[in-house]
Amino acid sequence: DIQMTQSPSSLSASVGDRVTITCRASQGINYYLAWFQQKPGKVPKSLIYGASSLHSGVPSRFSGSGSGTDFTLTINSLQPEDFATYYCQQYNTYPFTFGGGTRVEMK
Amino acid sequence: EVQLVQSGAEVKKPGDSLTISCKGSGYSFSTYWIAWVRQMPDKGLQWMGVIYPGDADTKYNPSLGGRVTIASANSITTAFLQFSSLTTSDTAVYYCVRHKSGVLHPLAGDFWGQGTLVTVS
Repeated sequence: DIQMTQSPSSLSASVGDRVTITCRASQGINYYLAWFQQKPGKVPKSLIYGASSLHSGVPSRFSGSGSGTDFTLTINSLQPEDFATYYCQQYNTYPFTFGGGTRVEMK
Repeated sequence: EVQLVQSGAEVKKPGDSLTISCKGSGYSFSTYWIAWVRQMPDKGLQWMGVIYPGDADTKYNPSLGGRVTIASANSITTAFLQFSSLTTSDTAVYYCVRHKSGVLHPLAGDFWGQGTLVTVS
């Protein structure tokens, strides 16, 4: 299985900060990388697909980049509603696998 | 409007069987993949498997050891996740997720069901 390693596992940030989360695949996955946001007790929300394309309705302060094995999710000007846990997922090779998650907490 | 509506919460005993469902509406059900994702209490997301309702092509996560079956019924635009013999470690929230169909395999998931809480005790 392809292992997806996210870092950091948690971070503290303030409203207005720029936040960067990284996701590393144990082998190349082209650009078949998605990002999801999950708030406590809520359904995950799809943010990004194809490493860098935003799903409809996702604010432009979210951006993704990378290909191959190294990917990043960046949140520019963190908003109060962005405090959540973020997951990456590769969908290049079965079984599709998720990273362990990055919790973004309020400083 | 695309919707995935899952069946309600379940409380079961170890050894019981269970089927939970995910009804799709607002799109062409047979031309999108449906995946199942598990989230154990206070844990991350785990991909369980996926089905293409158009031809019932199904892929599973080998880590599940063959204890679950994924199925679909196009006539009622519904996907199913079946457990043959539940254990306490199956206690989790289960989500269905719609995936666009790519040339070689599913593309990224876009719409999620509301989740089904399964408690085995």
